[in-house]
Amino acid sequence: DAMVIQNPRYQVTQFGKPVTLSCSQTLNHNVMYWYQQKSSQAPKLLFHYYDKDFNNEADTPDNFQSRRPNTSFCFLDIRSPGLGDAAMYLCATSSGIALGEQYFGPGTRLTVT
Amino acid sequence: GQQLNQSPQSMFIQEGEDVSMNCTSSSIFNTWLWYKQDPGEGPVLLIALYKAGELTSNGRLTAQFGITRKDSFLNISASIPSDVGIYFCAGRPQGGSEKLVFGKGTKLTVNP
Repeated sequence: DAMVIQNPRYQVTQFGKPVTLSCSQTLNHNVMYWYQQKSSQAPKLLFHYYDKDFNNEADTPDNFQSRRPNTSFCFLDIRSPGLGDAAMYLCATSSGIALGEQYFGPGTRLTVT
Repeated sequence: GQQLNQSPQSMFIQEGEDVSMNCTSSSIFNTWLWYKQDPGEGPVLLIALYKAGELTSNGRLTAQFGITRKDSFLNISASIPSDVGIYFCAGRPQGGSEKLVFGKGTKLTVNP
């Protein structure tokens, strides 16, 4: 049974055309994360929500925004994608308490043409 | 910032061989996690470690939380072709943050 679901798995957008990636979870976890992963690199945290509290990483470009309308869903908005934004985008969740385990979705591969 | 040094960066082994990889840090971590990532997929949690000295197995995988709380290793015994992938260590730093620090990964290739 899928626990962290990402749609779509593959997304193609044009340079400068806004795009939204979605993530949903069935774990009822408090925390949802968005990571960017480029080829052969570790995931890089963009931001996370602890319940409704948004936590942005200092080096995340303003071009990246996020919304969490409820516990189950979280969205990543890229307002004006550039060629450098082509990457795998990973959503993850955790319960937010001491253990620290994060569970990842399958990812969305974004291509910018 | 906190960093995890993961080694080796890549490994090429024959099917049936045992594999060992490790992560070290200059600072203390409260949790160590090991993930495997297949091409085009998200990382999958293999083993989670919570206490210094803890040794945990998951099938052919064994991982340990170092007693100094600054390192962890992952062993894979009797490797098979489906073990191919990138293995990431990740740690939750002392201080209670809900964020993880990731190692740079170990790319494992298994020759049949």
